[in-house]
Amino acid sequence: DQQVKQNSPSLSVQEGRISILNCDYTNSMFDYFLWYKKYPAEGPTFLISISSIKDKNEDGRFTVFLNKSAKHLSLHIVPSQPGDSAVYFCAASANTGFQKLVFGTGTRLLVSP
Amino acid sequence: DAMVIQNPRYQVTQFGKPVTLSCSQTLNHNVMYWYQQKSSQAPKLLFHYYDKDFNNEADTPDNFQSRRPNTSFCFLDIRSPGLGDAAMYLCATSSSKETQYFGPGTRLLVL
Repeated sequence: DQQVKQNSPSLSVQEGRISILNCDYTNSMFDYFLWYKKYPAEGPTFLISISSIKDKNEDGRFTVFLNKSAKHLSLHIVPSQPGDSAVYFCAASANTGFQKLVFGTGTRLLVSP
Repeated sequence: DAMVIQNPRYQVTQFGKPVTLSCSQTLNHNVMYWYQQKSSQAPKLLFHYYDKDFNNEADTPDNFQSRRPNTSFCFLDIRSPGLGDAAMYLCATSSSKETQYFGPGTRLLVL
């Protein structure tokens, strides 16, 4: 039972355009959501997060939107740059004493010049 | 720079031969995690240490063990690796419920 789903294995975008990566979840107990970026041969790097009390969080070119009723979140990258090409993982956690993350399977983003 | 370090980056072992993967951190975080990630799959939590308290996930095979001798170091022991244990093993740390920071991973190959 996959509680966090990233249904698009890959996404191709031109440099300068918007990249939109999507993530769906099934567990209504999740209250904290994160996006990680992963380059080949490196570990995941934290990108941005959002608490369930918010519906939007912005950090520079990266914005995460949360729609609790639809159990859906998305990551917007504007403008996309070739250096953004990586695998993006969505992760979620519930209110526990530690941050137990449940990850999606990732979306590979390719930004072409 | 404060960081999470994993050694070795690549490990080759033989079927059934015990292997130990190492993780160290300079972040002074109290929680350390071990994840297994197979190709095209999501990272899967194996267990974590909250300070000295070991917490095993219900579906983590008994073949996987862990040790945390001090705050900075955590080890993953695979007692009898099988072909299905070939994967990337990721170590992460966090300060209680704060963001997790990952190491570069160790890719394990079982022959």
